Amino acid sequence: GNSVTQMEGPVTLSEEAFLTINCTYTATGYPSLFWYVQYPGEGLQLLLKATKADDKGSNKGFEATYRKETTSFHLEKGSVQVSDSAVYFCALPLSGGYNKLIFGAGTRLAVHP
Amino acid sequence: EAGVAQSPRYKIIEKRQSVAFWCNPISGHATLYWYQQILGQGPKLLIQFQNNGVVDDSQLPKDRFSAERLKGVDSTLKIQPAKLEDSAVYLCASSLDGVHTDTQYFGPGTRLTVL
Repeated sequence: GNSVTQMEGPVTLSEEAFLTINCTYTATGYPSLFWYVQYPGEGLQLLLKATKADDKGSNKGFEATYRKETTSFHLEKGSVQVSDSAVYFCALPLSGGYNKLIFGAGTRLAVHP
Repeated sequence: EAGVAQSPRYKIIEKRQSVAFWCNPISGHATLYWYQQILGQGPKLLIQFQNNGVVDDSQLPKDRFSAERLKGVDSTLKIQPAKLEDSAVYLCASSLDGVHTDTQYFGPGTRLTVL
């Protein structure tokens, strides 16, 4: 079945630094891919998604490109802010339909001024 | 548009006690999900409803967990009796259509501590 592997955290950066959080997956076919973000004390929010190969999802300065050749969906941001401190989850649907998502373990990002 | 509502936000109980969580999904969303998120891990799906029917409950520990979705809208998740390892955040999510890949919208969660 489908699975996802995410780089371990925590990731600690200074404000305005470049961010990359790696995510790789195994899947049957070409499912949609998602990045969710969880701010302290809150539930998950969809950050961005890509629905087919070579698509680029973007939101709030974050980007991720669906790369079927490397089965990756790495999250990037050119200049992080303190307010980006959160836990980031890569996700994709489990095989078998019915929109069941499987999440990576999450990567905690801490941005310092 | 109102988001997914959950209550309570926090709950502390002793082992072997029972507890219930409530979720109100976004209006018009046919699909409702309950996830368990243990500290340091990603959410794990416990049960998925399509309207008021169960689509998937393969990861639900049915000896102690139960869930229902009243009239295809609100849902409650119950644990009876609770164990120490049930300490986690319980997240409710909803989506418009659970058949196709569709954005899931999450509530703030209920943090359960079992002592």
